[in-house]
Parts: sequence; C-alpha cells; structure tokens
Amino acid sequence: AQSVTQPDIHITVSEGASLELRCNYSYGATPYLFWYVQSPGQGLQLLLKYFSGDTLVQGIKGFEAEFKRSQSSFNLRKPSVHWSDAAEYFCAVGAGTASKLTFGTGTRLQVTL
Amino acid sequence: KAGVTQTPRYLIKTRGQQVTLSCSPISGHRSVSWYQQTPGQGLQFLFEYFSETQRNKGNFPGRFSGRQFSNSRSEMNVSTLELGDSALYLCASSLRWEYEQYFGPGTRLTVT
Repeated sequence: AQSVTQPDIHITVSEGASLELRCNYSYGATPYLFWYVQSPGQGLQLLLKYFSGDTLVQGIKGFEAEFKRSQSSFNLRKPSVHWSDAAEYFCAVGAGTASKLTFGTGTRLQVTL
Repeated sequence: KAGVTQTPRYLIKTRGQQVTLSCSPISGHRSVSWYQQTPGQGLQFLFEYFSETQRNKGNFPGRFSGRQFSNSRSEMNVSTLELGDSALYLCASSLRWEYEQYFGPGTRLTVT
C-alpha cells in the first residue's frame, strides 16, 4: 500500500523568506502526486499536481514542486512567502487513481512578520 | 463555475443516532470521493463513486455508507453514531478518477 511522509509537523518562516516543505512517498510505480492547502475551518485547496512529464510543476499562488523519482520525493517550494500563506499543507498520493488519495499528516506553516 | 457544495456545514448529533451528509459536485464532474478528517487520524479515504457505482472503499466499518445519484450528487450516511465519528467530513469531485479532485468546505459533525 502507498504511504506519504511529511517529516515536518510545524515550520516557521519570516515573511519574504523562501520555503520548502518536504514530502516523501512510498509506491512502486509512478504515482499521482498532489499538494493541498487548508486554512482553519476550511476545505482543501489544490495547489498543484504531478501526473507525468516535466518533473518541475508550477501551481497557484507562486508555489512549485519537483518530483524526484530516485528520492521518492515531491517537495513544495516558494521563493518568497507571504503572511497569507500561513496554513496547513498536505501532500497526497494516488496509486493508479487520483480519486482515492492517501494523505500525509500535514505541515503547519507559520509566517512571522 | 460553482465549487463543490456540502450540506449541512455543521451538525450536532447524539450517540446512537444516524446522520446523512450531502455533496453536490462541480458541474460536469462524475467522480465523488469522501474523506474523514480528525486530529488523531488525519485525512482518511472513505469511499469513491463514479456514475452511481462505488469504485473504491476505505477501511471503515459498515456503519459508513454512501451512494451517488444520476445527477452525480452524493450522500453519505453514518448509522449508530459513536463519539469517535466526530470529524470534518470532506467531499471531493473530479471529472473522472484520472483527474485531480476539488474539495468542498466540509461538514463538521459533532457527536455528543
């Protein structure tokens, strides 16, 4: 069965600093990979996805992620964080389907001014 | 285009009761999935429907059931509620299972 690990439970960055959130997955073939963001009391918003092709994918709000098969990773990056980026970020993997997702435990991002 | 809508947004029930949650997918989307989110277990997949057929089911007891109608709207039902069923229930829709999912705002269920 597939699994997802987000090793950082909580990260604090200063506004304007760069950000990298880590995600490692376990799955034998090429998975469907996603990053979602959740603000308190809200549902999940899709930031970006990887299905195949170019391993560097661009998403909304200035986020990007890179798929590295050799490291089984799909890390999320942003060059300059804004205070409004404070939220919880979830990495998710789909094994052969994009509609049955296994989620990581999430990384809570705090942004200091 | 309107997003995924879920009703009700908040619900308080008593142990032993049953509850039905509703989800209306984005127009044109035929795949609907349900997830449970709790502080202890995180986000867990419940089930997925496509064209009124259940395609996948997660590891939840039989008290959790769902269905999808011909207009792609979906409902999930939990019978004999337990305190541990208190959670945020999220619905997500997609064109088909090969496409990305878009989530609704969730239904917050509290069991007392």
